[in-house]
Amino acid sequence: SAVISQKPSRDICQRGTSLTIQCQVDSQVTMMFWYRQQPGQSLTLIATANQGSEATYESGFVIDKFPISRPNLTFSTLTVSNMSPEDSSIYLCSALEGYGYTFGSGTRLTVV
Amino acid sequence: QQPVQSPQAVILREGEDAVINCSSSKALYSVHWYRQKHGEAPVFLMILLKGGEQKGHEKISASFNEKKQQSSLYLTASQLSYSGTYFCGTERGANNLFFGTGTRLTVIP
Repeated sequence: SAVISQKPSRDICQRGTSLTIQCQVDSQVTMMFWYRQQPGQSLTLIATANQGSEATYESGFVIDKFPISRPNLTFSTLTVSNMSPEDSSIYLCSALEGYGYTFGSGTRLTVV
Repeated sequence: QQPVQSPQAVILREGEDAVINCSSSKALYSVHWYRQKHGEAPVFLMILLKGGEQKGHEKISASFNEKKQQSSLYLTASQLSYSGTYFCGTERGANNLFFGTGTRLTVIP
């Protein structure tokens, strides 16, 4: 199965700043996804990122706040913009390979 | 919209069995099951497709009732390594996975 490298693994950021999270997949995948997970909670889908097209955002998430890039079939970035303490969470990228979804190890973001 | 799982938490002794249920209010294309250990990423266990096809873990079984929009995960002869939080995931047509509320499973010696 695919291996996803995600970085940074954690960061502490000042409110009002932006953080870009990177995900690299070791094989070409058509679809990549970004999730958010509060500690002890379930995962919430932020958006779907396909190469060559605009990302598709789920209800409650907007491109201005969470811009996504997908320049090729092995890489994607998620930017968390103009951060506030409410953005503190774990962000995970995922790729669909065959029948199952593979996840990166996550980025633990703390906004102070 | 989020699939609802039951129970929310369960504690087992090694060797005991457990059933985790997942229920959706929306029509389902498929149901996934994942296990997440503390501080780690979710790991794919299995997928159940319409029509009865299953793919995934050899030692874990599951059922999918398409009409009732429900799925159950069956863990038999539990091992310590089974501990973690189990999530069902549902796809409603397009390839985007929505996770259930989660079930925390703890297996004790």
